[in-house]
Amino acid sequence: SQQGEEDPQALSIQEGENATMNCSYKTSINNLQWYRQNSGRGLVHLILIRSNEREKHSGRLRVTLDTSKKSSSLLITASRAADTASYFCATDKGYGGSQGNLIFGKGTKLSVKP
Amino acid sequence: KAGVTQTPRYLIKTRGQQVTLSCSPISGHRSVSWYQQTPGQGLQFLFEYFSETQRNKGNFPGRFSGRQFSNSRSEMNVSTLELGDSALYLCASSFRDRDYEQYFGPGTRLTVT
Repeated sequence: SQQGEEDPQALSIQEGENATMNCSYKTSINNLQWYRQNSGRGLVHLILIRSNEREKHSGRLRVTLDTSKKSSSLLITASRAADTASYFCATDKGYGGSQGNLIFGKGTKLSVKP
Repeated sequence: KAGVTQTPRYLIKTRGQQVTLSCSPISGHRSVSWYQQTPGQGLQFLFEYFSETQRNKGNFPGRFSGRQFSNSRSEMNVSTLELGDSALYLCASSFRDRDYEQYFGPGTRLTVT
């Protein structure tokens, strides 16, 4: 079963606009990660935020984490056409409480129009 | 460093056959995980290997198996293929045990006819 649920499922914006994607999860976590996937290819790691962190930045990316609400958000500022991809959140708590695997949400499909 | 490589990239098999997929992790990475991605179920964890030992296994039938070699390269095998096994199979490697990021390969696209 999915741990994370992304919202919205799909998002279409114009170049230059900001894109915000949300993720909710069910169990306690050690960390939450965001990945990007371009059209059926491998995933690319974007950012990892630990459970004791509230906000993290990386270039045009800003991630927040609210462990009390079991939710996270990914903000992409000044989007570009090249940001068009699916974005997934993933948490580290897996089967048997182990930390050796990631549980992914279903993803948000972002389309950035030039 | 070279990234994670997976072979083959594309594969077409018929029902009942078996298939072996290969993954070479980034040099120095000891953990290799496998995931199955389908439009309906999304990304689902298959299993994880660390130093040749299977540490975790997802909720998949016994037809799905894997192993890891002493050089950290990993293989997964699916026996008695079913149409529903058609998917993108992704391999990921990581260096650390906790708070780690995973580096994904390009995947193997398996089509079962």
